[in-house]
Amino acid sequence: DTAVSQTPKYLVTQMGNDKSIKCEQNLGHDTMYWYKQDSKKFLKIMFSYNNKELIINETVPNRFSPKSPDKAHLNLHINSLELGDSAVYFCASSQDQEVGPGRSEQYFGPGTRLTVT
Amino acid sequence: DAKTTQPNSMESNEEEPVHLPCNHSTISGTDYIHWYRQLPSQGPEYVIHGLTSNVNNRMASLAIAEDRKSSTLILHRATLRDAAVYYCILRAGGTSGTYKYIFGTGTRLKVLA
Repeated sequence: DTAVSQTPKYLVTQMGNDKSIKCEQNLGHDTMYWYKQDSKKFLKIMFSYNNKELIINETVPNRFSPKSPDKAHLNLHINSLELGDSAVYFCASSQDQEVGPGRSEQYFGPGTRLTVT
Repeated sequence: DAKTTQPNSMESNEEEPVHLPCNHSTISGTDYIHWYRQLPSQGPEYVIHGLTSNVNNRMASLAIAEDRKSSTLILHRATLRDAAVYYCILRAGGTSGTYKYIFGTGTRLKVLA
């Protein structure tokens, strides 16, 4: 069974469109994240959610809106896509409570490669 | 945010041990040292973590300097499947979800057959 899954795996779209990426984890974790990996391979956190509550919101444009309908899902909706949004987006999850945020490891999904043309 | 410094790349022969160094001179007393790796076209994968003592698991060993300002990830017998970018990250405690991993550029490990 896949621990952290993302759909779609590839997404090609035109500038100005709105798109969503879905993420699901079946690990029972309480914290989920979105990361962006750009063309230079830098991996940077965008958001984190703990028990459906937004915790971390890095300096990400308002066009990006995460939504967590339940603890197992964290979706990423992107409005008015721009060329610079082209990247690989990774979802991750961790169990922070009980384990402790300092010690808990994150499980990453396979990534969604977004290409904006 | 405490930062880490790693060599950009390293090479190893297959079946030989690999020692991947990491400097973290500004580490605080409550920071855990985490290692992840990213295989080509995949998401990062947890490898190991530690606080003060050396740690072993099925994937690797982590040797932490006594002053905690550096650590070394040890792959005991490198295989071609270990070719990846290895990231050394400091992770502090705090409330759930508040601490973010700061990924650096990592070390690209090349394993030669």
